[in-house]
Amino acid sequence: GESVGLHLPTLSVQEGDNSIINCAYSNSASDYFIWYKQESGKGPQFIIDIRSNMDKRQGQRVTVLLNKTVKHLSLQIAATQPGDSAVYFCAEKRKPNDYKLSFGAGTTVTVRA
Amino acid sequence: DTAVSQTPKYLVTQMGNDKSIKCEQNLGHDTMYWYKQDSKKFLKIMFSYNNKELIINETVPNRFSPKSPDKAHLNLHINSLELGDSAVYFCASSQATGDYTFGSGTRLTVV
Repeated sequence: GESVGLHLPTLSVQEGDNSIINCAYSNSASDYFIWYKQESGKGPQFIIDIRSNMDKRQGQRVTVLLNKTVKHLSLQIAATQPGDSAVYFCAEKRKPNDYKLSFGAGTTVTVRA
Repeated sequence: DTAVSQTPKYLVTQMGNDKSIKCEQNLGHDTMYWYKQDSKKFLKIMFSYNNKELIINETVPNRFSPKSPDKAHLNLHINSLELGDSAVYFCASSQATGDYTFGSGTRLTVV
């Protein structure tokens, strides 16, 4: 099976609240992680990435946290908006300089007005 | 616009037919990929080419054959289509081992 997985397949969040999407991985050699957002009818879109030598990275309204001790990755979205409704995937490269990106199962986020 | 472009966006065909999906990127990337997304949204890599050389070839039926005429193009040809081939196929590109840029997908329906 895939080593990248998500704890929850769906997440419903009130508009304006913060969202947290979790991801577990099992390969301790994985050195690069990416979060993608996929809206209905579109391809996955890059949100933010993080390398294994970091534990936190921030973007615009998004923060990725990496806990290598427990092999856990999370994506935090601040002040969730209706446009954030989508499927979110975590993806990993399981070895340094690997071309292959392995995807987790995805979490569907629905924003309630 | 700089992008990864796939054609066609939708493809409906009968079992047993042969079809092709085309992909082009104008990002100047050197690596291109084909992914298959099933009905549960699971994304699985199929093939990858780096500068026209096949570098990833996952366990895919040999009815699927990729072709890369140059580093900006990667096509996918599928022979003898089966019902189970119905899925959304995504093309992506990257510069070396960096992050991917995806196309908008081709929804293949085999009837």
